[in-house]
Amino acid sequence: AQSVTQLGSHVSVSEGALVLLRCNYSSSVPPYLFWYVQYPNQGLQLLLKYTSAATLVKGINGFEAEFKKSETSFHLTKPSAHMSDAAEYFCAVSVRNAGNMLTFGGGTRLMVKP
Amino acid sequence: DAGVTQSPTHLIKTRGQQVTLRCSPKSGHDTVSWYQQALGQGPQFIFQYYEEEERQRGNFPDRFSGHQFPNYSSELNVNALLLGDSALYLCASSLLGTGISYEQYFGPGTRLTVT
Repeated sequence: AQSVTQLGSHVSVSEGALVLLRCNYSSSVPPYLFWYVQYPNQGLQLLLKYTSAATLVKGINGFEAEFKKSETSFHLTKPSAHMSDAAEYFCAVSVRNAGNMLTFGGGTRLMVKP
Repeated sequence: DAGVTQSPTHLIKTRGQQVTLRCSPKSGHDTVSWYQQALGQGPQFIFQYYEEEERQRGNFPDRFSGHQFPNYSSELNVNALLLGDSALYLCASSLLGTGISYEQYFGPGTRLTVT
């Protein structure tokens, strides 16, 4: 079975500062990895995905993530935080032999200070 | 192009009652997955429907059941509601008919409160 651990349930940054949200996964087979964002009282929006192509993945809104197999990590970064980035972020994993069922981490709430 | 839609938006039920939630997938999608998101937690997979059959199931009791219709829309039914069933229920659609589709598109969710 696969699992996801998101380190830090809350992260606070200043506007314009670097955003780094951490995600580590566990999987016995090559994984597909995703980052989703959830704004208050809304569903999940896909930010970016890794599906065994390039290890550095660029997503929407200036976010990117790097797949590091040796570290079993898929951390999400953005060079400069914007107030509108304040939201809950979820890392998720799926594997080929389990269809596209997603296993999510517990989430990280990003707060952006002016 | 309409995305994933869910109804109702909010629902309040009493313990022991039954509830039905509905989902229409994104246009062109053939697969619907349901997730339960308790307050402050990540979503948990309930089950997935493809070709009108339950294809995969997470660790949820039989009180949770579902259905997929020929037009690919889906229902989630929960019987004998417990207080612990209070959560945001998310529907996600994807396309599996032409091979594995990695991406799932989520609806806005139905907020269920059990009192």
